[in-house]
This record gives sequence, structure tokens and C-alpha cells, in this order.
Amino acid sequence: GDSVTQMEGPVTLSEEAFLTINCTYTATGYPSLFWYVQYPGEGLQLLLKATKADDKGSNKGFEATYRKETTSFHLEKGSVQVSDSAVYFCALMDGNNRLAFGKGNQVVVIP
Amino acid sequence: SQTIHQWPATLVQPVGSPLSLECTVEGTSNPNLYWYRQAAGRGLQLLFYSVGIGQISSEVPQNLSASRPQDRQFILSSKKLLLSDSGFYLCASRDRQTEKLFFGSGTQLSVL
Repeated sequence: GDSVTQMEGPVTLSEEAFLTINCTYTATGYPSLFWYVQYPGEGLQLLLKATKADDKGSNKGFEATYRKETTSFHLEKGSVQVSDSAVYFCALMDGNNRLAFGKGNQVVVIP
Repeated sequence: SQTIHQWPATLVQPVGSPLSLECTVEGTSNPNLYWYRQAAGRGLQLLFYSVGIGQISSEVPQNLSASRPQDRQFILSSKKLLLSDSGFYLCASRDRQTEKLFFGSGTQLSVL
């Protein structure tokens, strides 16, 4: 079935650094794409979404653009804060309402 | 806003015993419902999803099954648990109108 793939391994960076987390998808149709975030000790919450090609989702300084030509939905933030330390999940929903998540990336921001 | 009730919070079961995890949803109607298993390093693995009463889509062939006997009730079951069934199970509900996704608090299952 349709799926998303996230880059391997945790991401450690310094405060105010630029963050990129890669996400690529495999789909037969035109899925909706999401980024979810899980802060320590909390449940998953929606960070941003895009429902069609070239859409840009944005929230809390994070952005991701739905790129059909590269089947990607990379998450970016220009200047991270310690409070951005969390696990970030890329997700895909197909036309049958099947919602699949990537493996997640642990992001650690060091002061 | 939706509320997801998932129980029990923790469960220790012997190998070969049956399983029943229940998830009920308040604050919405006709939601899409999902069962996931979350494991370190493997993220959220989709197990089952349902778009309506009695409609179940299975993702991974295994000894687990799911049922949706009522609109806002989603049950995960097994007739005989395996050691490999240990993990953290999450129920999720997605509101069709708002597209918001809500998660239950999860069940930590240990099969010994």
C-alpha cells in the first residue's frame, strides 16, 4: 500500500540552526500528506498538512511543500528552539482514508 | 472536541491467552477509526482501520483482528497472543468534517 519513508536516525542540532527532516512517499493516487509531532510525555498532534501538489503547509515556523515531481514532503524550520525537541512523524492518507505514518525522527535541540 | 477512551492502560498476559482491547469515542459521529502499534525505532505501525460499522481493513496479516460493532467502538482482539504481540497499542479517531486526528492514551501490552 501507499507509504512514507523518513530519513534514518535522530537529528541533533544547536539552537537557531536550520532543520530539515526528509520524507518521501509512494502512492498510486494523490494522497494527503501530514507532519505530526510528539513532544516528550505527550500524544501525537498535527503540525501541518498539504492536500494536493504544490500546497505548502505551515505552522509554528515549520513548513513543508507537497512535491509531486520528487514525491517528497520535507519538513523545514529556519531557526529551531530547544522547545522544538520532539519526535516528528510524516504521514500519508489515501482516498480510502487509510492513514499511514513513517518511523519518526527524534529531534534534539541543544542550547 | 473528541475524547478517546482506551483501556486498559497496561496489560500483562501469558502467551496463548486471548486479548481484547477496547476503544470508544465521544464527541463525534461516523469517524474513521485506527489501531496502531508503536515501537521504538519503528514508529507507528498501522494495524487496522475502519470507515464504518462492520468495515475493517487489515494492514498486516497476523494473529490480531479488529471489529467495529458500533459507530464509536473499535475493538482489537486476539485468540492466542504471541510474544511478538508485546508493544504499545494506540487507538485513533479522525473526524471526517474537521479532519482532526485524536489519539487514545494507549495500552502497554506485555506478553510473557
